Amino acid sequence: ETGVTQTPRHLVMGMTNKKSLKCEQHLGHNAMYWYKQSAKKPLELMFVYNFKEQTENNSVPSRFSPECPNSSHLFLHLHTLQPEDSALYLCASSPGAYNSPLHFGNGTRLTVT
Amino acid sequence: DQQVKQNSPSLSVQEGRISILNCDYTNSMFDYFLWYKKYPAEGPTFLISISSIKDKNEDGRFTVFLNKSAKHLSLHIVPSQPGDSAVYFCAASGDNNAGNMLTFGGGTRLMVKP
Repeated sequence: ETGVTQTPRHLVMGMTNKKSLKCEQHLGHNAMYWYKQSAKKPLELMFVYNFKEQTENNSVPSRFSPECPNSSHLFLHLHTLQPEDSALYLCASSPGAYNSPLHFGNGTRLTVT
Repeated sequence: DQQVKQNSPSLSVQEGRISILNCDYTNSMFDYFLWYKKYPAEGPTFLISISSIKDKNEDGRFTVFLNKSAKHLSLHIVPSQPGDSAVYFCAASGDNNAGNMLTFGGGTRLMVKP
């Protein structure tokens, strides 16, 4: 049990589908993050939320739409994705204080067909 | 333009010996460095961190060394165990005002042979 739970673990979707990834943290943290890990690439930061407010959007295409209704939940809404968006999507949380580590969920393996 | 690099994609070590994983960075504003371990089908797990005011931090079998002048950090695992076999990522932060935005290296796959 990592304290950060992501669902679903695997997702296959067509390019015209709409789907959502869900993340929930049980650690009492104030900051939540979406990272993307593509094959043979480093983890790339996508979005950061501090106290439910988006503080970073790392030039992510609008077909990815995050939502953070409260400090414990984070969603990533997906619409009209491309095959190159196939990747492992990782959610993380942290206390929000500077110099504190991120705690990651186990990720959602997304395949876009 | 990768600001954090792990130049060795893989490393093989005998059980009981020392594993040394290396990481280089280019951004002189980074002042907090971390190592994560990742098993297949799991998310990265935090291992150990170091602030730029230190040059060494130790936690059990894991020690991280930081050489700021060389912009280099390393993770030493001693003695290495087969359960240490995983992908290790280094990460860094510090060049932002939004707290904990980590920049990751590409990872090194460590294989510890029994």
